[in-house]
Amino acid sequence: QVQLVESGGGVVQPGRSLRLSCAASGFTFSSYGMHWVRQAPGKGLECVSLIWYDGSYKYYADSVKGRFTISRDSSKNTLYLQMNSLRAEDTAVYYCARGGITFGGVTAPDYWGQGTLVTVSS
Amino acid sequence: QSVLTQPPSVSEAPRQRVTISCSGSSSNIGNNAVNWYQQLPGKAPKLLIYYDDLLPSGVSDRFSGSKSGTSASLAISGLQSEDEADYYCASWDDSLNGYVFGTGTKVTVL
Repeated sequence: QVQLVESGGGVVQPGRSLRLSCAASGFTFSSYGMHWVRQAPGKGLECVSLIWYDGSYKYYADSVKGRFTISRDSSKNTLYLQMNSLRAEDTAVYYCARGGITFGGVTAPDYWGQGTLVTVSS
Repeated sequence: QSVLTQPPSVSEAPRQRVTISCSGSSSNIGNNAVNWYQQLPGKAPKLLIYYDDLLPSGVSDRFSGSKSGTSASLAISGLQSEDEADYYCASWDDSLNGYVFGTGTKVTVL
């Protein structure tokens, strides 16, 4: 069965960095696009970044552009999100999701991990 | 700020039917598939409807989706207490070249 396990969250001071990881299993990781979706406390869902199955396309929300970097390592079946220059407004649960729904060359999440909490506070 | 607009909340009695609307534009709903997600309290989102109106395996047929132009809807029939959750529509946006979520709707069973 599809499993996605996020790690790397925690409490970090503003301006510092953090790297999130998502270990994937139960499917051919290299064949799927992947998403990072976050949810601030009491707020809705926001797709902050996504990467195509072969890494040829990467998307970043305006709120994180220039600060976050998405990457993937198919040899380790792992998705990453490098987060630099963190701000208080980046505080959220970060979910990793498989892009199992495809249409016209784009991808949408089907399976989700349980999330990892990132708290940016001094 | 989300580009897909949903009502903040809807409520109805058990066994009744509720409908949640999702309003977008020609760059998202009008030109791409709509998906719906259910998020139970304290849990990760779960795919509920994909490609506008298809149900993933294991999802109750009390849930149904539809789309017309730049708007989509999720209907829940035979409402049950276990349906109390937040529901999000989502679609690809051709202008942003990314995936966007609706503002979310909280469903309360009276």
